[in-house]
Amino acid sequence: SYWLTQPPSVSVAPGQTASLTCGGNNVGGKSVHWYQQKPGQAPVLVIYDDSGRPSGIPERFSGSNSGNTATLTISRVEAGDEADYYCHVWDSVSDHVVFGGGTKLTVL
Amino acid sequence: QVQLVESGGGVVQPGRSLRLSCAASGFTFSSHAMHWVRQAPGKGLQWVAVISHDGNNDYYADSVKGRFTISRDNSENTLYLQMKSLRAEDTAVYHCAKRTLYTEALDVWGQGTMVTVSS
Repeated sequence: SYWLTQPPSVSVAPGQTASLTCGGNNVGGKSVHWYQQKPGQAPVLVIYDDSGRPSGIPERFSGSNSGNTATLTISRVEAGDEADYYCHVWDSVSDHVVFGGGTKLTVL
Repeated sequence: QVQLVESGGGVVQPGRSLRLSCAASGFTFSSHAMHWVRQAPGKGLQWVAVISHDGNNDYYADSVKGRFTISRDNSENTLYLQMKSLRAEDTAVYHCAKRTLYTEALDVWGQGTMVTVSS
């Protein structure tokens, strides 16, 4: 079955750039979606189809996907960006949704 | 506004059954595939099942296949998850989520309903 790997944690100072990675075998050939989840809240879609940004999501959030790694980039990080972030793909071989294990973003 | 509201969670003994519901509003429910995603306490997101917009196709995570059934009533704008032979490892918050029309992304999520499997 398909597998997505995310680092458990990333720390960044306010105002800096955070790069959150999502690794998978030829993930560049799939469409990757990213979700932000704050404690006690439902996940929120922040990036769809590798780099699309839903309405209401700040331009500071961007995405890319190539080879074996997809990346969510958060520019000018703010305290309010502190959350868990999950990547997601649809595996058409197994007809399964696959989530990465999630990355906890800490704003120092 | 677009909204998903889950209900039906609770405490249930191992081996028993439970049915979750997800009431949809603010969008054309019958046009969208729908998912169930769960999250065990302190853990990450785990996909459970998906059903096509018309209910004709469904797929399940290996961990629930044969025990859980996803269904929908488009006339009532409601999604269901029938859970049987529940196990302790099924303990989680269960979210329903709406798939976008043209991508696989899940753009609307409910707050979730807690299911606790314990004797």
